[in-house]
Amino acid sequence: DVQMTQSPSALSASLGDRVTITCRASQSVGRWLAWYQQKPGTAPKLLIYEASSLETGVPSRFSGSGSGTEFTLTISSLQPDDFATYYCQQYDSYWTFGQGTKVEIK
Amino acid sequence: QIQLQESGPGLVRPSQTLSLTCTVSDGSISSGGYYWSWIRQHPEKGLEWIGYISYLGNTYYNPSLKTRINMSVDTSKNQFSLNLNSVTAADTAVYYCARPMAASTKDAFDMWGQGTMVTVSS
Repeated sequence: DVQMTQSPSALSASLGDRVTITCRASQSVGRWLAWYQQKPGTAPKLLIYEASSLETGVPSRFSGSGSGTEFTLTISSLQPDDFATYYCQQYDSYWTFGQGTKVEIK
Repeated sequence: QIQLQESGPGLVRPSQTLSLTCTVSDGSISSGGYYWSWIRQHPEKGLEWIGYISYLGNTYYNPSLKTRINMSVDTSKNQFSLNLNSVTAADTAVYYCARPMAASTKDAFDMWGQGTMVTVSS
């Protein structure tokens, strides 16, 4: 079982801030790593796949990097629509998710 | 593009069986060789992948749940289903059906249903 650990679990940021979220895997998952955004009452939305590939329609202020066991999601300039919870997910060995990072308004 | 819609009871009694169906529209469940999945989210908590079924009926379940799960597919109705037996309050969650981007177990989920809340309570 591959365990995914995100940090921080929550953060407060202002509009225009650069935000970085980290995800660590308990074993190497190569580049089989995705990031999702979830808002209350809705299903998760795919943002990034294969660690750094931007899903169609996702703004370019979102970017992903990393490989192996350490990955990051960066929002270059936080916008009002970005306040949400973000999850990483590995899919090297079936699918497991991180516990989430809630991005709140400072 | 395809759409997924979960349906089923919102309340299940403890020790009973939770039964949900996912209906696929604007596309065929039989095309593409996808692994149609169930995922759940406990209240205010993270996401847990439950298992998948292919249109041929091949399944793989999360080892933590596999003794209580059965999934089935009905290609004539373009539906797949989840049965989770011997439920407890710990099974209270929002249940999603979802599909990966490609016909592979090495892919992220780009298609999700809206989710259905299931409460286990007497």
